[in-house]
Amino acid sequence: AQSVTQLGSHVSVSEGALVLLRCNYSSSVPPYLFWYVQYPNQGLQLLLKYTTGATLVKGINGFEAEFKKSETSFHLTKPSAHMSDAAEYFCAVSDTGGGADGLTFGKGTHLIIQP
Amino acid sequence: GAVVSQHPSRVICKSGTSVKIECRSLDFQATTMFWYRQFPKQSLMLMATSNEGSKATYEQGVEKDKFLINHASLTLSTLTVTSAHPEDSSFYICSGAQGSIGEQFFGPGTRLTVL
Repeated sequence: AQSVTQLGSHVSVSEGALVLLRCNYSSSVPPYLFWYVQYPNQGLQLLLKYTTGATLVKGINGFEAEFKKSETSFHLTKPSAHMSDAAEYFCAVSDTGGGADGLTFGKGTHLIIQP
Repeated sequence: GAVVSQHPSRVICKSGTSVKIECRSLDFQATTMFWYRQFPKQSLMLMATSNEGSKATYEQGVEKDKFLINHASLTLSTLTVTSAHPEDSSFYICSGAQGSIGEQFFGPGTRLTVL
């Protein structure tokens, strides 16, 4: 069975500071990993995904994440936070790339940007 | 990315009534559609997976007679909450995928409130 753990239900950073959202996963097969962002009362928007190949994945809005198999981690980072980054962020895992099976989501991290 | 719509975006109903939620893929053919449920400030939980023309596969603990899913075409899936009760109040989000390794595209969600 798959599972995703997101450390910290709330993360607060100052505008312009580094954003680091943590995600650890467990999977019995090589995983496909995703980060989604959700704004209030909206659906999910894909930030980035890891399938195979390069372990450092770049996404939209300046976010990137690094797949570290030895640490079973897929932490999300952004060098400089912007007020518009305030949202809920979800890490998710899939065995199959996401098209055939539903995603398993972490509980989410609420990112707060302090002015 | 591809677009998925949901209708209605919000619905309020009385206890005991049934509510139908539509999920449409607007610019691609979704061979598989997924239905998720999100409780306030919690993660998304997969309810069921449906393939066009086939019966939906429900996750453990999800009552298939209460949450009726129909995937009649490659662009439309419906979720009917039958005999709704206040505990069914939630945010329901659908997603569609094209092919087994395709990315899932999420709809904007439907907020169901049962009085």
